[in-house]
Amino acid sequence: NAGVTQTPKFQVLKTGQSMTLQCAQDMNHNSMYWYRQDPGMGLRLIYYSASEGTTDKGEVPNGYNVSRLNKREFSLRLESAAPSQTSVYFCASSEQNPSGGGTRYTIYFGEGSWLTVV
Amino acid sequence: QKEVEQDPGPLSVPEGAIVSLNCTYSNSAFQYFMWYRQYSRKGPELLMYTYSSGNKEDGRFTAQVDKSSKYISLFIRDSQPSDSATYLCALTGAAGNKLTFGGGTRVLVKP
Repeated sequence: NAGVTQTPKFQVLKTGQSMTLQCAQDMNHNSMYWYRQDPGMGLRLIYYSASEGTTDKGEVPNGYNVSRLNKREFSLRLESAAPSQTSVYFCASSEQNPSGGGTRYTIYFGEGSWLTVV
Repeated sequence: QKEVEQDPGPLSVPEGAIVSLNCTYSNSAFQYFMWYRQYSRKGPELLMYTYSSGNKEDGRFTAQVDKSSKYISLFIRDSQPSDSATYLCALTGAAGNKLTFGGGTRVLVKP
């Protein structure tokens, strides 16, 4: 099992360019997320998808679009990159365990994508 | 004011010391409390999970939640150099589908 896989790991973009971050999970999870992480800001939710076919805005959605392609894949698109979008991006997935327990809402993260917009 | 406040550190301790980390929060709707560990250039991984006030122990790790004070803590006993990482608290409400993270505390355990 690879868990959550995201690509690319590193990318440099020029202001105004577009790109898509790809994410796939092999844990059969319903929910998937995109976070960004900036120094001192912790992880902030950009968009999430509670289940296949649905997407919702998170805390910082401006400048981004997402697509839940199928149950496994959730992509994040920057249509016109800006320097303020320089960040580390994490894809994550989770499955609520209906039986409860200590890891009921465990969210599993990918390794991160380092994006620099110049 | 941020919903979740966490001292960024760095917190430097000698090997074998107790590491004490904490977060304060303002939203009383938070019901589930987690601690994630993040090594440099890696994604966060779940370390501890609690959903009620009190203590929960797992090996060298103890998580404490005080809902009345809106204060959560993580203690690491007998700290090891391998514990050097950034520790993030994460909180969520009843739905459990959106985590709110603290900014993370960087911990350095010196041999």
